[in-house]
Amino acid sequence: EVQLVESGGGLVQPGRSLRLSCAASGFTFDDYAMHWVRQAPGKGLEWVSAISWNTGSIGYADSVKGRFTISRDNARNSLYLQMNSLRAEDSALYYCAKERLRFGEPHTAGFDYWGQGTLVTVSS
Amino acid sequence: QSALTQPASVSGSPGQSITISCTGTSSDVGGYSYVSWYQQHPVKAPKLMIYDVSNRPSGVSNRFSGSKSANTASLTISGLQAEDEADYYCSSYTTGSTVFGGGTKLTVL
Repeated sequence: EVQLVESGGGLVQPGRSLRLSCAASGFTFDDYAMHWVRQAPGKGLEWVSAISWNTGSIGYADSVKGRFTISRDNARNSLYLQMNSLRAEDSALYYCAKERLRFGEPHTAGFDYWGQGTLVTVSS
Repeated sequence: QSALTQPASVSGSPGQSITISCTGTSSDVGGYSYVSWYQQHPVKAPKLMIYDVSNRPSGVSNRFSGSKSANTASLTISGLQAEDEADYYCSSYTTGSTVFGGGTKLTVL
């Protein structure tokens, strides 16, 4: 059974940093592109960042470019999101999501599994 | 990276059919066959319902179908059921990223 379990969220002051983690199981993590998607309270989905299965392709939404860094540790079956210079508008539930196709290019196949999310609140 | 345009809400009675539109540009919806649709129930994670414009993942009811014409994609739900009441989001590939629609709240009357 595919499972994605996010952690690392919490309350943080503006300008500070936070590192999110996503522990994956039930599939060959190395073979799939992975994404972070966020959802502010009562709002819609916003794609944040993606990393290809071989880390050769990495992308960010304009809203987080230069502040967030995505990475993966295939040996640990884990996905990460380092978030620096946090702003109030970064407050959201952050989901980890798996690309549907094995060895597929990011963004081209749909996200077939999602975690339950980890909540980030940026406030003084 | 402007969001795709969806109606804020749609409604229908049990047994009826509804269609949710998702309008983008030639740089996203109109330029690629990489449109997906997601269903999200309250306090739940999104669920993939349609990928590649019109394909259903295993386990998704055939009451859900997708299509595309020019820069507008559509999700049709036939034989509406109470359990279909949820938020629906479209998404599309655009160069180097994914863009989502603003979401549509489906109410089953």
